[in-house]
Amino acid sequence: GAVVSQHPSWVICKSGTSVKIECRSLDFQATTMFWYRQFPKQSLMLMATSNEGSKATYEQGVEKDKFLINHASLTLSTLTVTSAHPEDSSFYICSASPPSGRALFGDTQYFGPGTRLTVL
Amino acid sequence: SQQGEEDPQALSIQEGENATMNCSYKTSINNLQWYRQNSGRGLVHLILIRSNEREKHSGRLRVTLDTSKKSSSLLITASRAADTASYFCASSYGGSQGNLIFGKGTKLSVKP
Repeated sequence: GAVVSQHPSWVICKSGTSVKIECRSLDFQATTMFWYRQFPKQSLMLMATSNEGSKATYEQGVEKDKFLINHASLTLSTLTVTSAHPEDSSFYICSASPPSGRALFGDTQYFGPGTRLTVL
Repeated sequence: SQQGEEDPQALSIQEGENATMNCSYKTSINNLQWYRQNSGRGLVHLILIRSNEREKHSGRLRVTLDTSKKSSSLLITASRAADTASYFCASSYGGSQGNLIFGKGTKLSVKP
């Protein structure tokens, strides 16, 4: 149980276009989803926290108008990179957290396999 | 930055040897978790240790937590070539759905 999927697994786009990445919790309802970004050979950096039915909370330095997050249901969150530029090329990873007390590992989050974005 | 530190940044060992990775964090935590990431892939949860625990085992993994030193260690015993990956610690600071702050990671290479 506790599987999180991401789609697409990789995407190449031209500079200036928008790209949407989906994150789904397949076998549990996720009241909270997190979006991370990982540059090559670096660690994961939290971009934003997404709660179902409310606005996402963005970390300092992350532009909310550039990285649009929608968490319209308990199993789906989307991240849209608007007007992507080469510096947005990165590995984007989402994670999902089930309602309190129902996680298999207590407070752990379940991570998706990641989406590699390359902006030409 | 709240990001924790891990050392070593890279570790290369022979198959069968033990691998020890360390992690430090900055403020009081709710729990600390270790994850594994194969190159270009997602994260795999390995083990979670709560702030009131000092040691935890899972198969060939042993995790310790020293809250007085704000540090944790991950020991992989009898390493295998398949253990080659990057290992990250992640500290959880509060709430059952709190943010995870990741360490910089240790890249482990196990040579057959």
